[in-house]
Amino acid sequence: DGGITQSPKYLFRKEGQNVTLSCEQNLNHDAMYWYRQDPGQGLRLIYYSQIVNDFQKGDIAEGYSVSREKKESFPLTVTSAQKNPTAFYLCASSMKAGAYEQYFGPGTRLTVT
Amino acid sequence: GQQVMQIPQYQHVQEGEDFTTYCNSSTTLSNIQWYKQRPGGHPVFLIQLVKSGEVKKQKRLTFQFGEAKKNSSLHITATQTTDVGTYFCAGEPYLNSGYALNFGKGTSLLVTP
Repeated sequence: DGGITQSPKYLFRKEGQNVTLSCEQNLNHDAMYWYRQDPGQGLRLIYYSQIVNDFQKGDIAEGYSVSREKKESFPLTVTSAQKNPTAFYLCASSMKAGAYEQYFGPGTRLTVT
Repeated sequence: GQQVMQIPQYQHVQEGEDFTTYCNSSTTLSNIQWYKQRPGGHPVFLIQLVKSGEVKKQKRLTFQFGEAKKNSSLHITATQTTDVGTYFCAGEPYLNSGYALNFGKGTSLLVTP
């Protein structure tokens, strides 16, 4: 059963703590993406990776970090430097970057208090 | 970066009425994609348009790509309650192909029976 998974669905953290969100895909896709979704803001790109061991900053990368050590996995770390981390985080993948259909995971809702 | 603007932000219609959302880019696009996100869900790919002036239909949904490849629209005929959700357009900039898509902020559609 192919797809993209994110865990956990809900995550609660105290302010000042780093937290890592998981994203795994078994679609054999080269490209993976992280988006942040806030009410009325649409999808804002945090980071994306075109291929293993490579990634680029998106529009709102400050306070976030990623790694792409394996093709299947693209974890996102929300650091304590991110000023307003409470949001809905969506991971996506596509066969290649650019003009290819993106498959989204179910998302992780992060709440930081 | 390049902007993809989407209007309206919200639309509330009675079941059976038509609905249109518009997407406008500040730069020429190589292609444009449309996604639908149901409440509480994740975005799901609907369609991709590539050619200037292209029109594609999916049952009651009609998608158009402008002649200049800077704008697009999604029209739903005779809305149903199952059409409720947020519709996003996402464009690949012509001068920055092969990288990440630029998503609009989405149009949230509410359909009342």
